[in-house]
Amino acid sequence: QQQVKQSPQSLIVQKGGIPIINCAYENTAFDYFPWYQQFPGKGPALLIAIRPDVSEKKEGRFTISFNKSAKQFSLHIMDSQPGDSATYFCAAGGSGSRLTFGEGTQLTVNP
Amino acid sequence: DTGVSQNPRHKITKRGQNVTFRCDPISEHNRLYWYRQTLGQGPEFLTYFQNEAQLEKSRLLSDRFSAERPKGSFSTLEIQRTEQGDSAMYLCASSPGSFHEQFFGPGTRLTVL
Repeated sequence: QQQVKQSPQSLIVQKGGIPIINCAYENTAFDYFPWYQQFPGKGPALLIAIRPDVSEKKEGRFTISFNKSAKQFSLHIMDSQPGDSATYFCAAGGSGSRLTFGEGTQLTVNP
Repeated sequence: DTGVSQNPRHKITKRGQNVTFRCDPISEHNRLYWYRQTLGQGPEFLTYFQNEAQLEKSRLLSDRFSAERPKGSFSTLEIQRTEQGDSAMYLCASSPGSFHEQFFGPGTRLTVL
């Protein structure tokens, strides 16, 4: 019940494309859903996060869509750039404690 | 730089040795978390502190692992009698009180030979 399932494992898009990464969770007690970006050898960096009282949130080129009834959420990256090439992790948490992470999506944006 | 800092950044040790890592959280963040990340996987929760109190420990945290946060500031994670399976990136994150946003440090890469 604590798992977060993320797909796809890897994704290749052309510059300007809109990669979409999906996550699904089981635990209805989760009330916080962040996305992290990680470059090789670095720690994860918080990109954007959403709570279940809204269905969409935009910050710059990053958008989270949230479907509470389906227990799914996704990350869209608008006008993707080669510099966006990284590993992206979704996560879920509740009550300010532990985050449960997905397995990650390795994104490659070709020039 | 006011982010989370971790030291050392890399540690190579022989099986059976003890190692200790340090994490300095963002100033005034009273929650501090430890996670472990193996290659190709997402971070896995180990333990967290609110101020100096250790509030939750994962079952991943065997009795060879101990974490402290004296005075509610920096934290240390010690692994005793290291095993090759302990090889991983150890990540520290901090959070401002009851808010959920967790900010990660650069991690300590442990290699056990």
